[in-house]
Amino acid sequence: AQTIHQWPVAEIKAVGSPLSLGCTIKGKSSPNLYWYWQATGGTLQQLFYSITVGQVESVVQLNLSASRPKDDQFILSTEKLLLSHSGFYLCAWSPGLGGLEQYFGPGTRLTVL
Amino acid sequence: AQSVTQPDARVTVSEGASLQLRCKYSYSATPYLFWYVQYPRQGLQLLLKYYSGDPVVQGVNSFEAEFSKSNSSFHLQKASVHWSDSAVYFCALSPNYGSSGNKLIFGIGTLLSVKP
Repeated sequence: AQTIHQWPVAEIKAVGSPLSLGCTIKGKSSPNLYWYWQATGGTLQQLFYSITVGQVESVVQLNLSASRPKDDQFILSTEKLLLSHSGFYLCAWSPGLGGLEQYFGPGTRLTVL
Repeated sequence: AQSVTQPDARVTVSEGASLQLRCKYSYSATPYLFWYVQYPRQGLQLLLKYYSGDPVVQGVNSFEAEFSKSNSSFHLQKASVHWSDSAVYFCALSPNYGSSGNKLIFGIGTLLSVKP
């Protein structure tokens, strides 16, 4: 069975500080990977997706970047946090070719002060 | 443009009552549709999906949804709700298929509160 793990569970950071969030998928080779952002009480907005190692596509610009250093790992980062970055960050995976449904991780709650 | 509309921001029902959460979509081609549930402070869980075929699809925890092309709808239903069904429910549409990355477009969600 596939498992998806996100770290950290929660972060409280200062405006202007750097950020790195991680996501790991076990039990599935060559998945498509995604990052989503959810404002408190809001809907989900897709930020990035990746279909293979080293290749990341940006869907919306929020002064964030993403990387996929390994087949099973997806990293979201920024060098300077803004207040508007606060929210819930969700990583998801899909089976790639032949599968459209996405499976979500437990999320990371980010508070920027 | 593709979009998903969930017209009810909040629905309150009594335990044991039936439930319908509404979802309308806008898409020019054959849609791929999903319902997800989000419990407080957790990620999303896939309830059910529709790709093609039988317009009534069964999901987990006795949820089902009915696709209607004529009404551009994909309503979620349950015959008898339990207090543990209280959560936010998201309807989503995928306009993509293939290796270019699957874009999911979400509605704003419907908060379901089940009264004991």
